[in-house]
Amino acid sequence: DVKVTQSSRYLVKRTGEKVFLECVQDMDHENMFWYRQDPGLGLRLIYFSYDVKMKEKGDIPEGYSVSREKKERFSLILESASTNQTSMYLCASIESRGTGVTEAFFGQGTRLTVV
Amino acid sequence: GQSLEQPSEVTAVEGAIVQINCTYQTSGFYGLSWYQQHDGGAPTFLSYNALDGLEETGRFSSFLSRSDSYGYLLLQELQMKDSASYFCAASSNDYKLSFGAGTTVTVRA
Repeated sequence: DVKVTQSSRYLVKRTGEKVFLECVQDMDHENMFWYRQDPGLGLRLIYFSYDVKMKEKGDIPEGYSVSREKKERFSLILESASTNQTSMYLCASIESRGTGVTEAFFGQGTRLTVV
Repeated sequence: GQSLEQPSEVTAVEGAIVQINCTYQTSGFYGLSWYQQHDGGAPTFLSYNALDGLEETGRFSSFLSRSDSYGYLLLQELQMKDSASYFCAASSNDYKLSFGAGTTVTVRA
């Protein structure tokens, strides 16, 4: 079974702190994603990576950065946390098969509260 | 850019059939997938369509029309455990995967 593990289930940080959210997958997938999920807004893409050291901005990258130094690990960084970044953060790892079927495997999420 | 539209909520009784529509505007569109998410859980993959037509997986089927930029998820023989949020997601040739806002399905006895 594919496993995507996020480092924390719940996190409380202060405004202005630098926050690191870690995600590790064990299936050698090339593509990894960070989303935030807010009620009524669905999953919004923050950043994604299709290879080691490669990163691409998603739809809402402002206030975030990412790091992909190893294939299995994709980190989301909040440079200076703000209260509007309070949200559920979901990491996903994508399997792309030869048939073109793509399936995203999600971690359990990190509920971040910025106070 | 990417945008996907789907209804915000649907309510139906056990045993009924529910269709969740999804329209998308996606540059470099590659395929449409569907995910289910129960309260407090992570989204889980249901189906994927890269070609026009219907894909059936048990009680769930998914349809895609590339010319209409439209797809749907069909839930048949609804059960209480199908109460969840359902998301359509568009993948594109730049490796991006973008989601709709989700449809909350409530199944009543």
